[in-house]
Amino acid sequence: KAGVTQTPRYLIKTRGQQVTLSCSPISGHRSVSWYQQTPGQGLQFLFEYFSETQRNKGNFPGRFSGRQFSNSRSEMNVSTLELGDSALYLCASSLEQGFGYTFGSGTRLTVV
Amino acid sequence: GENVEQHPSTLSVQEGDSAVIKCTYSDSASNYFPWYKQELGKRPQLIIDIRSNVGEKKDQRIAVTLNKTAKHFSLHITETQPEDSAVYFCAARGSSNTGKLIFGQGTTLQVKP
Repeated sequence: KAGVTQTPRYLIKTRGQQVTLSCSPISGHRSVSWYQQTPGQGLQFLFEYFSETQRNKGNFPGRFSGRQFSNSRSEMNVSTLELGDSALYLCASSLEQGFGYTFGSGTRLTVV
Repeated sequence: GENVEQHPSTLSVQEGDSAVIKCTYSDSASNYFPWYKQELGKRPQLIIDIRSNVGEKKDQRIAVTLNKTAKHFSLHITETQPEDSAVYFCAARGSSNTGKLIFGQGTTLQVKP
């Protein structure tokens, strides 16, 4: 079965711009989480969605937002990009909320 | 706040030896502890997980142990092989009714042939 699909794989943006990243979970999975991975901070939780509702939000500024659609696909948006937003953004989905998350390959965002 | 500490940060072993990575979590309400393996340039892959109602779980050469009293959990890899070389992350699920995982900082395991 298909895994978690994230698009695009790579993205280069300029400071001040905004970006939207997409995540298609494994078929049947309704729980989707997003993480930011950087060499210095490791894996940090951004948001969690279940049945189109944001269940949790990590300690990130309001420039980071997300949503989940009725087909469980999810998007995250970062506005007014800063150099420090350069990171690998990972999406993970699971069948049972809170357990057994499968990660996608991520979107590598570079802000210049 | 919620925190997971992972040790060591790097680990080098000879092929065939065992490797042990340890994690400590702060939230006593945590009830789920997965381990992920991430090879260079690839996605984190779930290799084993344990829930708080179980003390130990084994899957072939990999095992995880959990000590809820001490808030410790460990990954044990036996008969290591060069393909085990990767970064390993432990994580703890936050308090119940959440999908939020708190990750450790990672351990770079190198298995020398």
